[in-house]
Amino acid sequence: QKEVEQDPGPLSVPEGAIVSLNCTYSNSAFQYFMWYRQYSRKGPELLMYTYSSGNKEDGRFTAQVDKSSKYISLFIRDSQPSDSATYLCAMRGDDYKLSFGAGTTVTVRA
Amino acid sequence: GAGVSQSPSNKVTEKGKDVELRCDPISGHTALYWYRQSLGQGLEFLIYFQGNSAPDKSGLPSDRFSAERTGGSVSTLTIQRTQQEDSAVYLCASSLALGGGTEAFFGQGTRLTVV
Repeated sequence: QKEVEQDPGPLSVPEGAIVSLNCTYSNSAFQYFMWYRQYSRKGPELLMYTYSSGNKEDGRFTAQVDKSSKYISLFIRDSQPSDSATYLCAMRGDDYKLSFGAGTTVTVRA
Repeated sequence: GAGVSQSPSNKVTEKGKDVELRCDPISGHTALYWYRQSLGQGLEFLIYFQGNSAPDKSGLPSDRFSAERTGGSVSTLTIQRTQQEDSAVYLCASSLALGGGTEAFFGQGTRLTVV
């Protein structure tokens, strides 16, 4: 079993819809949680960064962390075609090594 | 520089040849990381540096892989006697420091193809 599980999709939604992405993990030492966006043939770009449990909102993006359930989510409101990309969850404890999910490919249809 | 810079962006090499991949981190970032991204495999941690020191080399896939960092800045990942299974995108990231709330910023990657 992988340390971080993420549904690879693909996920296709109409423009304006809410995109819901999630990851589960098994390592209880994880305390820093991130979401990266990766466009084709580009490096991952940091979208959201959360420490421990709770919610964080940044514009159209909301990240949620539930450490008791070992479950994290990313919501994208009012999705745009420019949001079409692969979204990667990542997390780590204090050992500096990021563990990534496999990535979910999202397409927002105009 | 403004971001993490990697070179070359693409590299095609023959099986058995050695390759060197270069990473220029964000100025002032003391921590540097190498990851490998293979199709269908996600991102795999290879090695990290704090300054010029690499305390954890356990992620390197084999002894054909090595990495160094000089002057607390540029890092080179070297793959000797390349094999076809080494074909992947090699990503470098840097952060201001290790631990705490420091965020890692990635470069665009080097796409390595071994033929």
